[in-house]
Amino acid sequence: QAVVTQEPSLTVSPGGTVTLTCGSSTGTVTGAHYPYWFQQKPGQAPRTLIYDTSNKYSWTPARFSGSLLGGKAALTLSGAQPEDEADYYCLLSYNGARVVFGGGTKLTVL
Amino acid sequence: QVQLQESGPGLVKPSETLSLTCTVSGGSISNSYWSWIRQPPGKGLEWIGYVYYTGITNYNSSLKSRVTISVDTSKNQVSLRLTSVTAADTATYYCAKNSPPRDWGQGTLVTVPS
Repeated sequence: QAVVTQEPSLTVSPGGTVTLTCGSSTGTVTGAHYPYWFQQKPGQAPRTLIYDTSNKYSWTPARFSGSLLGGKAALTLSGAQPEDEADYYCLLSYNGARVVFGGGTKLTVL
Repeated sequence: QVQLQESGPGLVKPSETLSLTCTVSGGSISNSYWSWIRQPPGKGLEWIGYVYYTGITNYNSSLKSRVTISVDTSKNQVSLRLTSVTAADTATYYCAKNSPPRDWGQGTLVTVPS
């Protein structure tokens, strides 16, 4: 089974910019993996932020954006706010059926 | 946006079957995929599987021999059954709309004592 990798932890200053990445053990991540990004705050259920690489929902703050970068999926946060401190998970789809979550990135805003 | 509410026993004995129900409100269960995801305490998310409203399913290969996901359109409910549980199945179980998931339930913690 494919392994999806994320940075275990990252720190960003308030107002700063940070990029989280999502890689695949099978090789380059492409749009055909339909990358998703989720935010989870302590004690809460996850919330879906980004779907199909870069698409946002109505509830996704504008400061979050998704892309493909250097063979990986990427989530960029521009203008970090204290309330953005959370765990972030990516998800990749394989062959249209198999779905694998990354291990998550703990983002600290400090 | 639909609302999803998981329910079921919070404690299941080893070797027994875990059974959870997800009740969908604010929308129809038809024409959608419905997923189950779990998260062990302090750990990451694990995809369990999904069911389409017609009954078509797809499961995580690591759980496939023990898991059944089904849908009851008359009750607007999605169900999860996991057999032969062990302490490793202790987790918060989430149901979600779509696969990959879009809308999430609040989750329910199920403990299997060791």
